[in-house]
Amino acid sequence: AQTVTQSQPEMSVQEAETVTLSCTYDTSESDYYLFWYKQPPSRQMILVIRQEAYKQQNATENRFSVNFQKAAKSFSLKISDSQLGDAAMYFCAYRSLTSGTYKYIFGTGTRLKVLA
Amino acid sequence: GAVVSQHPSWVICKSGTSVKIECRSLDFQATTMFWYRQFPKQSLMLMATSNEGSKATYEQGVEKDKFLINHASLTLSTLTVTSAHPEDSSFYICSAREQGVRGTEAFFGQGTRLTVV
Repeated sequence: AQTVTQSQPEMSVQEAETVTLSCTYDTSESDYYLFWYKQPPSRQMILVIRQEAYKQQNATENRFSVNFQKAAKSFSLKISDSQLGDAAMYFCAYRSLTSGTYKYIFGTGTRLKVLA
Repeated sequence: GAVVSQHPSWVICKSGTSVKIECRSLDFQATTMFWYRQFPKQSLMLMATSNEGSKATYEQGVEKDKFLINHASLTLSTLTVTSAHPEDSSFYICSAREQGVRGTEAFFGQGTRLTVV
């Protein structure tokens, strides 16, 4: 069974600075997707970034980028030029492409605080 | 992006009654919908996966007779919490996967906060 681990329950970053959130996962599959989701106080899950496992190039979305290390099963999220609106819970998620269920497995989350 | 609407956003019910939560995909057809439960300050735990026109697949430990899931159309799935008790109080979130599109991420509803008194 697949597992997703986020070892940082809480992180803080100064506004305009850069922060990296860690995520590791365990799987025996070779074809899968990895995601970072943001959950602000409204509780609405918002997709931040997605990475296909077969792509070696790290995904980027504006101020958000990932460091995907497939062999190490690591998938960290870097937020550059942090803004107050980035404060939220961040969840790392794994989605199988071979099991046929397309279900997501979420990590326990990291609460990000942005300090003004 | 695709929109998933959940209704109601919050509900308070008396112990012993049943509550129905709706999950609708507004601008796409959802082959598969997922139901999650989230306790305060915790992660999302998958409860069940529902496919249109077939029985839902429940995760281990989830009582299928208590959490009834119906996916009668490609745009609507419902979760009914039967004979609700205070321990069922939680935040319930649905997500939907678009039909026929491999690799597309699932889109999430805004969640339903259930309080059983």
